[in-house]
Amino acid sequence: AQTVTQSQPEMSVQEAETVTLSCTYDTSENNYYLFWYKQPPSRQMILVIRQEAYKQQNATENRFSVNFQKAAKSFSLKISDSQLGDTAMYFCAFMTPQGGSEKLVFGKGTKLTVNP
Amino acid sequence: DTGVSQNPRHKITKRGQNVTFRCDPISEHNRLYWYRQTLGQGPEFLTYFQNEAQLEKSRLLSDRFSAERPKGSFSTLEIQRTEQGDSAMYLCASSSISSNSPLHFGNGTRLTVT
Repeated sequence: AQTVTQSQPEMSVQEAETVTLSCTYDTSENNYYLFWYKQPPSRQMILVIRQEAYKQQNATENRFSVNFQKAAKSFSLKISDSQLGDTAMYFCAFMTPQGGSEKLVFGKGTKLTVNP
Repeated sequence: DTGVSQNPRHKITKRGQNVTFRCDPISEHNRLYWYRQTLGQGPEFLTYFQNEAQLEKSRLLSDRFSAERPKGSFSTLEIQRTEQGDSAMYLCASSSISSNSPLHFGNGTRLTVT
């Protein structure tokens, strides 16, 4: 079974600074996808960034980038120039296309607070 | 794209009562998922539909839980004889059939069983 571990229950960062959220996963699959989702307080979960395991290049979306280390099974999220609106729960998630449902397996989340 | 809609947003019920939640996915999405999220945890997969067919159910989905998607559009999740341990946020998500199409989540239904 696949598992996703987020070892930082809470983190805080000053506005405009950079923060990195950690995520490790365990799988025996070779073909899979990794995701970071953001869940703001009382709002719906939205996709932040996605990484295909077969791609060596780290994904980037504006201020969000990942450090994907396949051998170490590590998938960290870096948020640059943090903004107050980045305050949210961040969930790392894993998905394998094997088996058809493509369901996501989530970590427990990291609560990020951006301070003014 | 009106997004994934879930109703009600909140439900408070007494132990032993039945509850039903509704999810309206994005209209062109074939895939529909239900997840459960408890305090301090990430969402946990409950069940998956492709069109009207329920193709996968988690072991978390006890016999008291049933989900339907009768016409391949909206879905309902019913919990019979609710227990306090059923208190959680129930999330619905949808995606298209194309490979690695991202999941779009609804706002969820928060269930409190007293």
